[in-house]
Amino acid sequence: LAKTTQPISMDSYEGQEVNITCSHNNIATNDYITWYQQFPSQGPRFIIQGYKTKVTNEVASLFIPADRKSSTLSLPRVSLSDTAVYYCLVGDMGPGANNLFFGTGTRLTVIP
Amino acid sequence: ETGVTQSPTHLIKTRGQQVTLRCSSQSGHNTVSWYQQALGQGPQFIFQYYREEENGRGNFPPRFSGLQFPNYSSELNVNALELDDSALYLCASSLAGDSNQPQHFGDGTRLSIL
Repeated sequence: LAKTTQPISMDSYEGQEVNITCSHNNIATNDYITWYQQFPSQGPRFIIQGYKTKVTNEVASLFIPADRKSSTLSLPRVSLSDTAVYYCLVGDMGPGANNLFFGTGTRLTVIP
Repeated sequence: ETGVTQSPTHLIKTRGQQVTLRCSSQSGHNTVSWYQQALGQGPQFIFQYYREEENGRGNFPPRFSGLQFPNYSSELNVNALELDDSALYLCASSLAGDSNQPQHFGDGTRLSIL
């Protein structure tokens, strides 16, 4: 299972775009890249998932270069409610896949 | 669509006791995974259940055990509780068979060991 490296913490002002980069040098061919958001005393909440290139949904974008050894979560125009811990996970989500390695995540603090 | 629900939300036990935590998977999901999250740390994988059988296990001792029922709900049992077992226990469900399906989490059970 590929492990990941992300910054421990980041600060941003309200209204700015935030980019959180995750390194996963040992990503395997079948691995997907998934990002979760977690607030205190709550379970992680799925944000976005991708395999290659760019994925966009209503809350975020995920950029994955051709070598897939890193990925960048982009949050447009953050608000105070985006203050949370963000986890990058890499793994095979297919049948029998069973282990998500969370690491310590990136603590994002949005400043008024 | 019903999300993942866990019970109880909070629990206090003493060392040596046994505890059972419960999880109802999201509708349409057939796989349940359990995680332990200590304060300030990321979730750590305990084990996964698929088709009522354990389908993989993390680095946890045998006193952590589980069950999955025909309706895909699941239980986590912990025997001989230790102080270090104090943590948030998270359940996540997913649909096996589709490699593009992420896990969806409940809000956990906060277990405190005195």
